[in-house]
Amino acid sequence: DQQVKQNSPSLSVQEGRISILNCDYTNSMFDYFLWYKKYPAEGPTFLISISSIKDKNEDGRFTVFLNKSAKHLSLHIVPSQPGDSAVYFCAANSPLLSGTGKLIFGQGTTLQVKP
Amino acid sequence: NAGVTQTPKFRVLKTGQSMTLLCAQDMNHEYMYWYRQDPGMGLRLIHYSVGEGTTAKGEVPDGYNVSRLKKQNFLLGLESAAPSQTSVYFCASSYGGQGLNTEAFFGQGTRLTVV
Repeated sequence: DQQVKQNSPSLSVQEGRISILNCDYTNSMFDYFLWYKKYPAEGPTFLISISSIKDKNEDGRFTVFLNKSAKHLSLHIVPSQPGDSAVYFCAANSPLLSGTGKLIFGQGTTLQVKP
Repeated sequence: NAGVTQTPKFRVLKTGQSMTLLCAQDMNHEYMYWYRQDPGMGLRLIHYSVGEGTTAKGEVPDGYNVSRLKKQNFLLGLESAAPSQTSVYFCASSYGGQGLNTEAFFGQGTRLTVV
């Protein structure tokens, strides 16, 4: 049972435009969400996170939006740059998992930003 | 400051052989994890540890064993490798188990092929 789902395996956008990556979850107990970025042959690196008490968190070109009623979060990248081309994973944590630090990951979305 | 270091980076095993993947972190993190990444499956947790001398099963623990004899090291063992264990393995560590403390730092990965 996939509790965190990224239904779009890939996304292609033009440089300078907005990239929107989506993530859905089924477990209403999740209270903390993270986005990771992964380049080929490297490990994932933390990008941005959001707590369930917020609906938006912004860091430079990256903004994460959380819609708890829809159990949906999205990552916006504006403007997109060729260096943003990577695989993006969303991940979630819940109080039930607290004390373990376990993160539940989605399948990932491959973003390609074309020059 | 190296972060999380995995050894080896690549390995080819024959079915039935055994091996140990090594993970070392220099951030004094309490929590450590082993994930595997397979196409279309995202990152799945194999085993984890919430402190020196402790280990616990994750989502997909069968066929693997782990040990955390020292706080900075987390070892993943395959006793009898199977082709289904062909994957990219990532070690990660985090400061704690809740909220932003769950931000996990990943190693560069080990690509394992079992033939």
